[in-house]
Amino acid sequence: NAGVMQNPRHLVRRRGQEARLRCSPMKGHSHVYWYRQLPEEGLKFMVYLQKENIIDESGMPKERFSAEFPKEGPSILRIQQVVRGDSAAYFCASSPTLLGADTQYFGPGTRLTVL
Amino acid sequence: GQQLNQSPQSMFIQEGEDVSMNCTSSSIFNTWLWYKQDPGEGPVLLIALYKAGELTSNGRLTAQFGITRKDSFLNISASIPSDVGIYFCAGLGSSNTGKLIFGQGTTLQVKP
Repeated sequence: NAGVMQNPRHLVRRRGQEARLRCSPMKGHSHVYWYRQLPEEGLKFMVYLQKENIIDESGMPKERFSAEFPKEGPSILRIQQVVRGDSAAYFCASSPTLLGADTQYFGPGTRLTVL
Repeated sequence: GQQLNQSPQSMFIQEGEDVSMNCTSSSIFNTWLWYKQDPGEGPVLLIALYKAGELTSNGRLTAQFGITRKDSFLNISASIPSDVGIYFCAGLGSSNTGKLIFGQGTTLQVKP
């Protein structure tokens, strides 16, 4: 059973470009969470999605950031018009149920660098 | 919002020594989790705690859920070089949406 997969592992963008980060949850998992980790800091919650629904986006910046988890395919975290402050590691986690938050399995992350 | 304060920020110890780190919060959490993160990787769950006062072990690791539900500690006994990494505490927030609140991390270095 493959773990949570994220791609790309590393992404370099220039200011003003768009970044698309993909997350494929573990097989059988229908709950996806996105977290951001700035250098030397802990992970910060961004958004929680179920298939085709955003459940909690309280950690998402109000502008430029969006997330989706379509019926088919991976979850996508999209950052428009990136700025240098968006440089961070972005982690996706998945769990089989909502109550199984302790069974959130994390992917290896996408490291975004904005030049 | 809910926050976790984790200490110490970093530790440099000799192989074989025991290690202790802790997390405190001004608010109550119903679940405490401890993760380890290796460089370039995502966090991996070490121990999960569900009840106030609970003491749980996983090999050389022992963690406790504080009675007040506002703190937790992690002990590593007889450290070995592969214990090197960043350790994070995390609490399950009050939003009931599976949102985890993470501490700032404790960086552990072990000298052989």
